[in-house]
Amino acid sequence: EAQVTQNPRYLITVTGKKLTVTCSQNMNHEYMSWYRQDPGLGLRQIYYSMNVEVTDKGDVPEGYKVSRKEKRNFPLILESPSPNQTSLYFCASTPRTGNTEAFFGQGTRLTVV
Amino acid sequence: QKEVEQDPGPLSVPEGAIVSLNCTYSNSAFQYFMWYRQYSRKGPELLMYTYSSGNKEDGRFTAQVDKSSKYISLFIRDSQPSDSATYLCAMSGTSGYALNFGKGTSLLVTP
Repeated sequence: EAQVTQNPRYLITVTGKKLTVTCSQNMNHEYMSWYRQDPGLGLRQIYYSMNVEVTDKGDVPEGYKVSRKEKRNFPLILESPSPNQTSLYFCASTPRTGNTEAFFGQGTRLTVV
Repeated sequence: QKEVEQDPGPLSVPEGAIVSLNCTYSNSAFQYFMWYRQYSRKGPELLMYTYSSGNKEDGRFTAQVDKSSKYISLFIRDSQPSDSATYLCAMSGTSGYALNFGKGTSLLVTP
């Protein structure tokens, strides 16, 4: 089954404790991206990757890092999480550059206290 | 001005009604137009995809794009309670790498 898998689905952490949210897709897509979704603000892109070892900032990259060492994986790293990063996070992949027909993961609800 | 504007609702309709959801945008470079459906606690799923102007129909769903007015619509015929969800419009240009999302419209279809 074609899918984008995120882990964990839920996470509560404390300010400053480094964490990683994993994302993996089994569709051999080149393009992957991370979004955060907040009430009243909608979906906003954090980072994206057009292929292995190629990443770039989206609209709200501050406080986040990503890496793309393999085509299928695109982890999101919060080096020092803060409460304003409490949000619902989605990973997405698309079969070609030019962001169309994105497939989304199930989401990771992160709470930073 | 945000590039993509979408009324957040909520929109409540009785079962069987025709639903009209709309977005406006300001960037004339947008070429791809999409509608995503998001159920509670789930990731968005692609519902309809249209390139450039025109209409596209898929079962009970019709997507319309009017590039001259920078206006897109999604119509749902014979709405069902299972259509209750948040509907997100999204669009991108031919050379861009980011989807520009509306904030989503929350729809409730009551039996």
